[in-house]
Amino acid sequence: GNSVTQMEGPVTLSEEAFLTINCTYTATGYPSLFWYVQYPGEGLQLLLKATKADDKGSNKGFEATYRKETTSFHLEKGSVQVSDSAVYFCALSTRGSTLGRLYFGRGTQLTVWP
Amino acid sequence: DGGITQSPKYLFRKEGQNVTLSCEQNLNHDAMYWYRQDPGQGLRLIYYSQIVNDFQKGDIAEGYSVSREKKESFPLTVTSAQKNPTAFYLCASSMLETDNQPQHFGDGTRLSIL
Repeated sequence: GNSVTQMEGPVTLSEEAFLTINCTYTATGYPSLFWYVQYPGEGLQLLLKATKADDKGSNKGFEATYRKETTSFHLEKGSVQVSDSAVYFCALSTRGSTLGRLYFGRGTQLTVWP
Repeated sequence: DGGITQSPKYLFRKEGQNVTLSCEQNLNHDAMYWYRQDPGQGLRLIYYSQIVNDFQKGDIAEGYSVSREKKESFPLTVTSAQKNPTAFYLCASSMLETDNQPQHFGDGTRLSIL
C-alpha cells in the first residue's frame, strides 16, 4: 500500500540553525512527492514538490530531493527563521483510480527560537 | 483571487445533531477532498470526489456524508452517528490531468461538541 513516515517532533531550533526533517515512503507504483506547511489555525500550503527520481524541489530556502533508492524525501533548510515555525507534512500521490489522492505523514512541529 | 472558502470557521454541535460544513472553490478544479485533522495524527481522508455527482469513501467515512451537485461545491455533513466529531476539518481541491497536481487547501473549520 501507500504510506508516509515522518520523523516525530516536536523539533526545536535556534534561529539560523540547520534543519532536517526526515520523510520516507512506501508506494505502489511511481509516486509524486510533496511537502506542505501549516501555520497555526490555517490550512495547508504547498511548500515544494518533486515528480520523478533525483528531482529536487525548492522554495523559500527549503529543499528536498526525491531519492528512489532510499525511498526518501527529506526536507532541509540551511538557516531557519522564527517565521518558519509551523507544522510540516510530507505527502505522496500515485496514479490509478485514486488519481489525485494524497497520503500524508503525521506532521512534524517545528519551533524556532530567536 | 481564486481559492477555497470553508465556512464557518468555528462550529459547535449538540448531541444528536447533524451539522454541515461548507466548502466552495473557484479554481475550476475537478477534484475535491475532505480531511479530518487530529493532534498527532496528521490528515485522514474522509471523502473525495473526482467529478460532479460522484464521490468515493476515504479511510474514515463512517458517520459522514457528502454531496457534489456542483463542480464548485462539496459540503460535508457530520451526522449524529459520528461519536467523536471534535476535530479540525480541511477541504482541498486539485486538477486531475496528471498525478503531480498539488492540492489547494481551505483554512479549515474547527468543530466542537457542546
